[in-house]
Amino acid sequence: GENVEQHPSTLSVQEGDSAVIKCTYSDSASNYFPWYKQELGKRPQLIIDIRSNVGEKKDQRIAVTLNKTAKHFSLHITETQPEDSAVYFCAATDGANNLFFGTGTRLTVIP
Amino acid sequence: DVKVTQSSRYLVKRTGEKVFLECVQDMDHENMFWYRQDPGLGLRLIYFSYDVKMKEKGDIPEGYSVSREKKERFSLILESASTNQTSMYLCASSWGGLMNTEAFFGQGTRLTVV
Repeated sequence: GENVEQHPSTLSVQEGDSAVIKCTYSDSASNYFPWYKQELGKRPQLIIDIRSNVGEKKDQRIAVTLNKTAKHFSLHITETQPEDSAVYFCAATDGANNLFFGTGTRLTVIP
Repeated sequence: DVKVTQSSRYLVKRTGEKVFLECVQDMDHENMFWYRQDPGLGLRLIYFSYDVKMKEKGDIPEGYSVSREKKERFSLILESASTNQTSMYLCASSWGGLMNTEAFFGQGTRLTVV
């Protein structure tokens, strides 16, 4: 199946700075790459996603980039705020529409 | 609002017991998933179902089986629970077809096997 690797596992930034989380995947047939945010004690929720026919997508302070040739995609959060503190997961679908997740990044935004 | 509901929030079972975790979704989604979440390991896919009675193994199916007799319900079965199956279990569902879409998660079941 798909192998999704995610880095870093933990990330601390000062409020107002940017945060970048990177993921790689192995299945060249993958065509959908969502990012989920999981706050403490809550279920993961989608924050942004990108499809393989698009190189970049932006939604306010959040952006995702995709490089299909290199098989990597990244999440960018600008002007971070304390409420951005959470665990973030990247994911990718394999050719059979299974959804595989990375190991997560714990982001801490320091006020 | 999509609702994915797991039958129990917390569960404590004894080693060797047969355990059923139930998940129900109310959005007529074709796809349903079972994951386990462990610190440092992320969400690991146990089983995936894309239609009634259809299932595919994920990364870690050993020790688990699933049942999908109705479209809205996806059950995870631990045939003989062991302590290494102590974990948080998350169910999710999404639309099927060629266009992958957002997966919606249940609230999770924290299973402890003693």
